[in-house]
Amino acid sequence: KNEVEQSPQNLTAQEGEFITINCSYSVGISALHWLQQHPGGGIVSLFMLSSGKKKHGRLIATINIQEKHSSLHITASHPRDSAVYICAVRSQGGADGLTFGKGTHLIIQP
Amino acid sequence: NAGVTQTPKFQVLKTGQSMTLQCAQDMNHNSMYWYRQDPGMGLRLIYYSASEGTTDKGEVPNGYNVSRLNKREFSLRLESAAPSQTSVYFCASSARTNTEAFFGQGTRLTVV
Repeated sequence: KNEVEQSPQNLTAQEGEFITINCSYSVGISALHWLQQHPGGGIVSLFMLSSGKKKHGRLIATINIQEKHSSLHITASHPRDSAVYICAVRSQGGADGLTFGKGTHLIIQP
Repeated sequence: NAGVTQTPKFQVLKTGQSMTLQCAQDMNHNSMYWYRQDPGMGLRLIYYSASEGTTDKGEVPNGYNVSRLNKREFSLRLESAAPSQTSVYFCASSARTNTEAFFGQGTRLTVV
């Protein structure tokens, strides 16, 4: 069973700061997902990646397959970025479905 | 664009009652999933359906049954609800097993 660890669990930052959220996993994967969950809301997919780096607006996701590690970066953070960010992986050769980290609760203060 | 639609959004059950959570997607996806989300834990897979006509157990299937009624719909049934099934339930779908996942808005279920 893949173990997915995220850090930090909680993060409070000031508007404009550069944010980094980390995710590590224990077993080889075929894909890693970064998801966003707003309070009381549903879950939105931000990225799916299996190698390298992806960028969408102020969000950047990177993955190092050899080190079994991924990072999600937010540049020029804004209060509307406040949410729970969740890392999830699909293990190679395993059963279908994703294995999730516990999430990082991010608060951006004005 | 509806995406993944779950009903109901909220439900309170008494211990022993039964209910069915409904999920429908309009993206012609092959794979559908049911997850539960509990405080302090990551989402956990209950059941999934890799394609129409197939269903398989996930990590925490006990106390649940599922039906893949057609390509669009994947329902989750609690035959005899227990307080341990108090949770937020999410349905998700993807085009294939290793593509982007789309989630419903969740169903907050309380069993008293």
